[in-house]
Amino acid sequence: DVKVTQSSRYLVKRTGEKVFLECVQDMDHENMFWYRQDPGLGLRLIYFSYDVKMKEKGDIPEGYSVSREKKERFSLILESASTNQTSMYLCASTTGGPFEQYFGPGTRLTVT
Amino acid sequence: DQQVKQNSPSLSVQEGRISILNCDYTNSMFDYFLWYKKYPAEGPTFLISISSIKDKNEDGRFTVFLNKSAKHLSLHIVPSQPGDSAVYFCAALYGGATNKLIFGTGTLLAVQP
Repeated sequence: DVKVTQSSRYLVKRTGEKVFLECVQDMDHENMFWYRQDPGLGLRLIYFSYDVKMKEKGDIPEGYSVSREKKERFSLILESASTNQTSMYLCASTTGGPFEQYFGPGTRLTVT
Repeated sequence: DQQVKQNSPSLSVQEGRISILNCDYTNSMFDYFLWYKKYPAEGPTFLISISSIKDKNEDGRFTVFLNKSAKHLSLHIVPSQPGDSAVYFCAALYGGATNKLIFGTGTLLAVQP
C-alpha cells in the first residue's frame, strides 16, 4: 500500500513564526502536491512538484514556499505565519499519468 | 472562478436507498474525473474515476456517470450504508504529466440508519 505521512497531525503556531510542514511518501512517486482544505472552498492547490528540485505554483501560492531536495520528501514552508493560514493542510503524491493521487492524513494548523 | 462545482453542500439519505452526488464542470479540456471520500481528521481517499471517453464506470456499489455535453457527472451509491457518511469531492484532471487536479467544494453525505 502507498503510504504518505505528514510530520504533525495538529500544530499551533503564533503569528509571524516560520512554519515547516513535512511530507514523505514511500512509493517512489514523481509528483507531489500540497493543498489546503477550508470549509466551503474544497481543496485548493498551493504548490506541486514533478521532480526533485522542481516546483510549480498552484492556485494559491502566496505566503508559501516549498522545498523538494529528495524524491520522497516535499516540504511546505510558511515564511511568516498569519491567521488566515489557519487551515487543514494535505499532502499528496502520484506517479506519472492519469492516476489517482494518494493523500496523507493532513495537518490541522492553527495560527494564533 | 470555480471550474468544478458541487452545488449541494449536504445530502441526507436513508440506509439502503440510493445516494446521488452531483458535480458540474466548465472546462471542456478536462479528460479524467475522480471521486474522493473524506472522513473527518483523515486525508481524502480515492473512490472511483472515469475517463472522458466513457460515460459510465462501475465498482461495486459505486457508479459514476459522465455527461460530456452537459459537463456533468454524478456518483451513485447503491445501497447506501451508514459507513458511507463522509464528505465527497469530485475532481477533474488536466491532461499532461503533472496530474494537476481541480477539486470541487465537496458534499457532506449523511446516511441515516
